[in-house]
Amino acid sequence: TQLLEQSPQFLSIQEGENLTVYCNSSSVFSSLQWYRQEPGEGPVLLVTVVTGGEVKKLKRLTFQFGDARKDSSLHITAAQPGDTGLYLCAGARFRDGSGNTGKLIFGQGTTLQVKP
Amino acid sequence: DSGVTQTPKHLITATGQRVTLRCSPRSGDLSVYWYQQSLDQGLQFLIQYYNGEERAKGNILERFSAQQFPDLHSELNLSSLELGDSALYFCASSVESGFSYGYTFGSGTRLTVV
Repeated sequence: TQLLEQSPQFLSIQEGENLTVYCNSSSVFSSLQWYRQEPGEGPVLLVTVVTGGEVKKLKRLTFQFGDARKDSSLHITAAQPGDTGLYLCAGARFRDGSGNTGKLIFGQGTTLQVKP
Repeated sequence: DSGVTQTPKHLITATGQRVTLRCSPRSGDLSVYWYQQSLDQGLQFLIQYYNGEERAKGNILERFSAQQFPDLHSELNLSSLELGDSALYFCASSVESGFSYGYTFGSGTRLTVV
């Protein structure tokens, strides 16, 4: 069972365009993170969001955590070829409502290609 | 360099064999996580250790086992290998065991079973 659904799975755009990647679940998460992975490398943490409704910005990237802590979005403004990569969302869940193990559940990822 | 070291980077072995993957966490991190990444399954959680003790288990096969040593490095043992075990295996580390603020991943070990 895939608890985190990412969409779209693939995205190919021209340099300068804007895009949004979505991460949805029917489950509540205690925190949600976004990672970027390049071929042959491990995922690199971009951001962690914790509070429902929270918005964080990292240069041209804007991350939002849904009010109910079940979904998140990543918006990239004026995409550049250097943004190309696999974007992964990952959620940490509470265990029995009293705390979690730190284990993360990953979405399937969104492969982004930005053409010059 | 993320600070998490995984060896070897590549491994090619035959079906039925046994291999050991090694991970050294980032300095100061007590928690180690193992993940398997394949094209059709994405990143799947295998197992977590915190300060030498198993903390959480995911979809880890009985043929697979892991441990974390007193110096905090961890090893993932894969035995009776099958073609379907071919994948990227990642180790990640974090300071805490509970509430997760994020992992630091290693570069992975690419396992090919032939």
